[in-house]
Amino acid sequence: AQKVTQAQTEISVVEKEDVTLDCVYETRDTTYYLFWYKQPPSGELVFLIRRNSFDEQNEISGRYSWNFQKSTSSFNFTITASQVVDSAVYFCALSEASRDDKIIFGKGTRLHILP
Amino acid sequence: DGGITQSPKYLFRKEGQNVTLSCEQNLNHDAMYWYRQDPGQGLRLIYYSQIVNDFQKGDIAEGYSVSREKKESFPLTVTSAQKNPTAFYLCASSPPAFADTQYFGPGTRLTVL
Repeated sequence: AQKVTQAQTEISVVEKEDVTLDCVYETRDTTYYLFWYKQPPSGELVFLIRRNSFDEQNEISGRYSWNFQKSTSSFNFTITASQVVDSAVYFCALSEASRDDKIIFGKGTRLHILP
Repeated sequence: DGGITQSPKYLFRKEGQNVTLSCEQNLNHDAMYWYRQDPGQGLRLIYYSQIVNDFQKGDIAEGYSVSREKKESFPLTVTSAQKNPTAFYLCASSPPAFADTQYFGPGTRLTVL
């Protein structure tokens, strides 16, 4: 069974629209970490955020915000006022304390921001 | 500047040849990782190393080998036993204080002809 599910394979929005990328995870650990990474066309994965399982506070960083809800096992990522430079593949990932810090990646969501 | 370097960016090899991908970091990170990415797929872990002279198999280690003789370097050899070696390979490392946060290099795209 997939541990990290990103149901949206590909999304296209017009520039300046808001967009939310969904992530649902599955774990039996009580201690775990969730991540979002951005992969622009150059290929390198860029770390965006790390959230531990004991911190359910939502986080905002500029135009980026993250909504962590343990009750629904979701860690969604919202980009407000999207820009063309936001076009990339975004990966949600999970690290479980019982798995030696190994990260499990979702399959990614390809985001197209149209000018 | 500190960072993770992978070379070369693009690599072409003939079928049946072994090839070694380079990964170097000057971040003083203890742990290093190799991932494989195929089109439309997430990253899959090949090998990882938490300390020098020690490494463990990941989820798809067959057909690959690694070494960790120095803290800064974690080369990956794609052997002729790897059935489908054409892919994008990403190296990552993680710092001792936040062992679960990984930082990635630019990747090497390997094409086997």
